[in-house]
Amino acid sequence: DAGVIQSPRHEVTEMGQEVTLRCKPISGHDYLFWYRQTMMRGLELLIYFNNNVPIDDSGMPEDRFSAKMPNASFSTLKIQPSEPRDSAVYFCASSFNRYGYTFGSGTRLTVV
Amino acid sequence: SQQGEEDPQALSIQEGENATMNCSYKTSINNLQWYRQNSGRGLVHLILIRSNEREKHSGRLRVTLDTSKKSSSLLITASRAADTASYFCATDFKGSSNTGKLIFGQGTTLQVKP
Repeated sequence: DAGVIQSPRHEVTEMGQEVTLRCKPISGHDYLFWYRQTMMRGLELLIYFNNNVPIDDSGMPEDRFSAKMPNASFSTLKIQPSEPRDSAVYFCASSFNRYGYTFGSGTRLTVV
Repeated sequence: SQQGEEDPQALSIQEGENATMNCSYKTSINNLQWYRQNSGRGLVHLILIRSNEREKHSGRLRVTLDTSKKSSSLLITASRAADTASYFCATDFKGSSNTGKLIFGQGTTLQVKP
């Protein structure tokens, strides 16, 4: 298994642009999570899905952030419009029955 | 905040010594997990301990859980330079509204000097 796959690995964009981050979870996993990591705030849970259904999006910072999981093998996190304070490393993680999470390598987002 | 709190924030030891990191949390949990993160990489799951367990071992790792004190500790024995990383505890909180929600602490940065 290739693990959780995130793309792109790095993204540099200008303020105001739309950014889409992608995640392919491990096949058979029923939970998918999006986290954001910064030095100041640590690891923040943004949203998580169970069987493709969003369960808790209370961590999504603003309406500029949206996430979808159209099927069991794909999820996106979109920021529109992006702002410099969105700069962070965004991680996707998946889990089967919540027993240990497997993280992707992350997407390092820089908004200038 | 439901977030776990870890101490120390940073730890520096010599190779061969043991490293102990502590984690405290605030509400009832289903389980508590420990993760490692090497610089610039994703997190790697190390060990999970359920709320009805008190101690668990995995290789050189030993985790304890005291639900009465809402605390856990991670012990790495006979540390190696390759253990240099940040270590995070994460709690899976009890309660239907929080099912599956894994919240991470701020982490402990461990440096093992050769």
